[in-house]
Amino acid sequence: QVHLRQSGAEVKKPGASVKVSCQASGYIFTTQGISWVRQAPGQGLEWMGWIGPYNGDTHSAQNFQGRVTMTTDTSTSTAYLELRTLRFDDTAVYFCARMRNGGLDVWGQGATVTV
Amino acid sequence: DIQLTQSPSTLSSSVGDRVTITCRASQSFSSWLAWYQQKPGKAPKLLIYKASILEDGVPSRFSGSGSGTEFTLTISSLQPDDFATYYCQQYNPYSLTFGPGTKVDIK
Repeated sequence: QVHLRQSGAEVKKPGASVKVSCQASGYIFTTQGISWVRQAPGQGLEWMGWIGPYNGDTHSAQNFQGRVTMTTDTSTSTAYLELRTLRFDDTAVYFCARMRNGGLDVWGQGATVTV
Repeated sequence: DIQLTQSPSTLSSSVGDRVTITCRASQSFSSWLAWYQQKPGKAPKLLIYKASILEDGVPSRFSGSGSGTEFTLTISSLQPDDFATYYCQQYNPYSLTFGPGTKVDIK
């Protein structure tokens, strides 16, 4: 069964950085991209960027360019999202999701980041 | 970047109703459009991809259609489990965008 397991909740001060992990299981990690999506309290979904584990290629949304780093560790089938210079409005649930056929077919459980 | 709008933003409906949600794009794009259902405190669930293909395990009362700049999600007969928020999402090779969401609640 395909599964994405994310790291736990984080509480950070403004200006700090946070790193969220997303461990995949049940499929060959390098065959599908991983997207990161966040959702602020009571708000909609906001795409942050994606990474192709097969080559490490990344594309981030304009809103986050320069402040976000996405990486993978293929030896552990884990993707990472680092967000720097945190602001109060970065408080949100951060999701990872597998990309397939233009959609996001498997989602992690979400990691709450409170700034 | 392509921007997406959804209408209506809220839909009050009853069990058994036929429900249609529209997603409009700021410019035409290929049919890489997906639909999701999200319930409070849960991750979104993929319903439809490539505008009209039903994801495995999704009930057949859900259907998607459209092309160009206008796409629709239809629920043929609303069930109690369907009260949720629905999002459209477009994909191009380098970015994704979500619509603002449509909340379907009980009339």
